[in-house]
Amino acid sequence: AQTVTQSQPEMSVQEAETVTLSCTYDTSESDYYLFWYKQPPSRQMILVIRQEAYKQQNATENRFSVNFQKAAKSFSLKISDSQLGDAAMYFCAFINNAGNMLTFGGGTRLMVKP
Amino acid sequence: DVKVTQSSRYLVKRTGEKVFLECVQDMDHENMFWYRQDPGLGLRLIYFSYDVKMKEKGDIPEGYSVSREKKERFSLILESASTNQTSMYLCASSLYGAYHNSPLHFGNGTRLTVT
Repeated sequence: AQTVTQSQPEMSVQEAETVTLSCTYDTSESDYYLFWYKQPPSRQMILVIRQEAYKQQNATENRFSVNFQKAAKSFSLKISDSQLGDAAMYFCAFINNAGNMLTFGGGTRLMVKP
Repeated sequence: DVKVTQSSRYLVKRTGEKVFLECVQDMDHENMFWYRQDPGLGLRLIYFSYDVKMKEKGDIPEGYSVSREKKERFSLILESASTNQTSMYLCASSLYGAYHNSPLHFGNGTRLTVT
């Protein structure tokens, strides 16, 4: 069974600064996908970014980028130029290539200070 | 935009009551899911359905059942609510079964309190 671990229950960052959220996972699979989801106070979960394990290049979406270390089974999310609207719960998630079920980490609450 | 609508934002029920949580999606998605969200545990899958009248157990199906009579609607049923089912419940849908090609779209959640 796969497990996803987010070791930081809470993080805070100053507006306009950069913050990195950590995620590690455990799997014996070689082909899989990783995701970061954002859940703002409205509760609407939003897909932030995804990474295919077979791609060595780290995914980037505007101010959001990942550091994917396959050998270390690490998948961190970097948020650059943090904005007040980035304040939310962030969840890391995993699925293998043939799977139907996402496995989520426990979440990290990000606070952005003005 | 895909819209996933959960019928209640907050719900308070008594122990032993039968509880129905309703979810409707408007984009003809094949797959629908019910998750439970608890602090520190993230989201855990209760049940999912890949077609009308079809269902599969997730990681924590005990104490729950589901119904999918129409493609757009997926109901979560607590046959006899217990206090340990107090939680946030999230419904989601996706076009296809393979998440990597078909992202999840979530509803706004139902916060259920069982007293």
